Amino acid sequence: RKEVEQDPGPFNVPEGATVAFNCTYSNSASQSFFWYRQDCRKEPKLLMSVYSSGNEDGRFTAQLNRASQYISLLIRDSKLSDSATYLCVVNPSGGYNKLIFGAGTRLAVHP
Amino acid sequence: DAGVIQSPRHEVTEMGQEVTLRCKPISGHDYLFWYRQTMMRGLELLIYFNNNVPIDDSGMPEDRFSAKMPNASFSTLKIQPSEPRDSAVYFCASSFGVYSGNTIYFGEGSWLTVV
Repeated sequence: RKEVEQDPGPFNVPEGATVAFNCTYSNSASQSFFWYRQDCRKEPKLLMSVYSSGNEDGRFTAQLNRASQYISLLIRDSKLSDSATYLCVVNPSGGYNKLIFGAGTRLAVHP
Repeated sequence: DAGVIQSPRHEVTEMGQEVTLRCKPISGHDYLFWYRQTMMRGLELLIYFNNNVPIDDSGMPEDRFSAKMPNASFSTLKIQPSEPRDSAVYFCASSFGVYSGNTIYFGEGSWLTVV
């Protein structure tokens, strides 16, 4: 079983739609969780951290369910510029800054 | 401020040749990471350094791969001899601090093709 698993997509949605991505992780002792965004042929960039209580940043909401070892990302009012691959990222150790990346979920927002 | 700088951006080489990828981390960052990304395997951590010392190289695929960090502002990833299956995007990244929540910043990547 992979350490971090995501639905690869693609998710094809119209502008203005709400879309949700899910991610599961295998190590129950994992300490930190993130969503990164990667545009085509570019480097990954941090989108947001994921906190136990859930957190929101504008149109983006991240949730963590430790009991189910499950992370989600919700994007409201999708924009064309949201088209990218979204990487679920887990730090299993809680100590050194070692990140394990999921394979990513591709989102395509169309007019 | 300059981000993580990698070179070369693109390299095409023949099987059996030596490949050296270079990275300059963000000034002041004490962690440096080398990742490899392929369609089949996604983004994989190869090795990371703390204060120029290799901490975990368990992701290095085999002895053909080696990485060094002679000082705080420079690291290399070397493949010798290269093989077609090494074709991938190699990302260098850096971060500051020991806490796991600190942001990791990636370079733009080195696109390697081995023919």
